[in-house]
Amino acid sequence: ETGVTQSPTHLIKTRGQQVTLRCSSQSGHNTVSWYQQALGQGPQFIFQYYREEENGRGNFPPRFSGLQFPNYSSELNVNALELDDSALYLCASSRDRGPYEQYFGPGTRLTVT
Amino acid sequence: GESVGLHLPTLSVQEGDNSIINCAYSNSASDYFIWYKQESGKGPQFIIDIRSNMDKRQGQRVTVLLNKTVKHLSLQIAATQPGDSAVYFCAENQRGFQKLVFGTGTRLLVSP
Repeated sequence: ETGVTQSPTHLIKTRGQQVTLRCSSQSGHNTVSWYQQALGQGPQFIFQYYREEENGRGNFPPRFSGLQFPNYSSELNVNALELDDSALYLCASSRDRGPYEQYFGPGTRLTVT
Repeated sequence: GESVGLHLPTLSVQEGDNSIINCAYSNSASDYFIWYKQESGKGPQFIIDIRSNMDKRQGQRVTVLLNKTVKHLSLQIAATQPGDSAVYFCAENQRGFQKLVFGTGTRLLVSP
């Protein structure tokens, strides 16, 4: 069974730029959730995608957007990057929508300068 | 509750000891809870979950206890090993919402 994978591993961007992060869900999983983890803190929920539609969103501005594809892989897009967007971005996949048994990938470390 | 702060509480144990990591949650409407282990530079690793209709659930070397009266969750690790050294997070969910809300992590240090 293939686990959750994310790309790229690390990324450095300049304030104001846009970034796209990618996630491949675990085999058999149709739901992807994205989280932001600032240094020294627990992950914060951004949004969840189920069968290609957004299925719940946390307290993040609209410049954070996402997509899910028919193969259940997903992208997180962040526009107009700010310094505070520097964080570890995690995706988690699960067998169904909701919070249950979410399995995380290794994350993408984004640094905004 | 929400995770805050850069200075994590730390639990230091000797190899072979039993470890107990505690978590207080604030939302009385939460009905699903998960424990995750996060090693440096890696994503959180699922350990065990429990629903609010249970008080206790056991896995391999781990036990989760849920006390809804005082809104308290604990993770017990039996015969702790150096490989158990990591930051441990509890996460909660309120029925009807998709998100997991992560608590303040606890750093577990296991010395040989």
